Amino acid sequence: TQLLEQSPQFLSIQEGENLTVYCNSSSVFSSLQWYRQEPGEGPVLLVTVVTGGEVKKLKRLTFQFGDARKDSSLHITAAQPGDTGLYLCAGHGQNFVFGPGTRLSVLP
Amino acid sequence: DAGVIQSPRHEVTEMGQEVTLRCKPISGHDYLFWYRQTMMRGLELLIYFNNNVPIDDSGMPEDRFSAKMPNASFSTLKIQPSEPRDSAVYFCASSSGKMRVHFGNGTRLTVT
Repeated sequence: TQLLEQSPQFLSIQEGENLTVYCNSSSVFSSLQWYRQEPGEGPVLLVTVVTGGEVKKLKRLTFQFGDARKDSSLHITAAQPGDTGLYLCAGHGQNFVFGPGTRLSVLP
Repeated sequence: DAGVIQSPRHEVTEMGQEVTLRCKPISGHDYLFWYRQTMMRGLELLIYFNNNVPIDDSGMPEDRFSAKMPNASFSTLKIQPSEPRDSAVYFCASSSGKMRVHFGNGTRLTVT
């Protein structure tokens, strides 16, 4: 069974700070996705990365897929309170699996 | 596009009762997924359908759970009999192909 781990589990920062969250596995994935989930809502897809080493930017968010396609990172620059939420990575391999998530709180 | 629509948003029931959760996927999507989310176990895939046919139900916890998709615009997840440990948020999601999955806003189930 392919598993994804995410770190940190919880993160609380001040507005304007930068942060990085990580998604790791011992398995290779054909692609990896990042979702953000806000309270009372379902996860919303942010990005899909497919190629090892790929970097994608979405405004202040930068996503990177590891060269070996086993891990990924999400970097947020100058975090804002609106970035608060649960960040989930999900990998497409033998199955489609979600990580446990990083719960981010950005304080004004 | 109204997105994936789930009903009810909240369900409170007593142990032993039957619970039916409903989902209307996005029109034109050929995949439909049922997930369960809890603090302890995160987001778990229960079952998914492709063109209304169940493909993988290995995530269904036990025989008390069943899911149907009688047509392309409707699916149900039924729990009979319900137990307190079934309390969770249940999400339905749909996609065209398996890559860009759209989630509904979930049904919060509480079994007392």
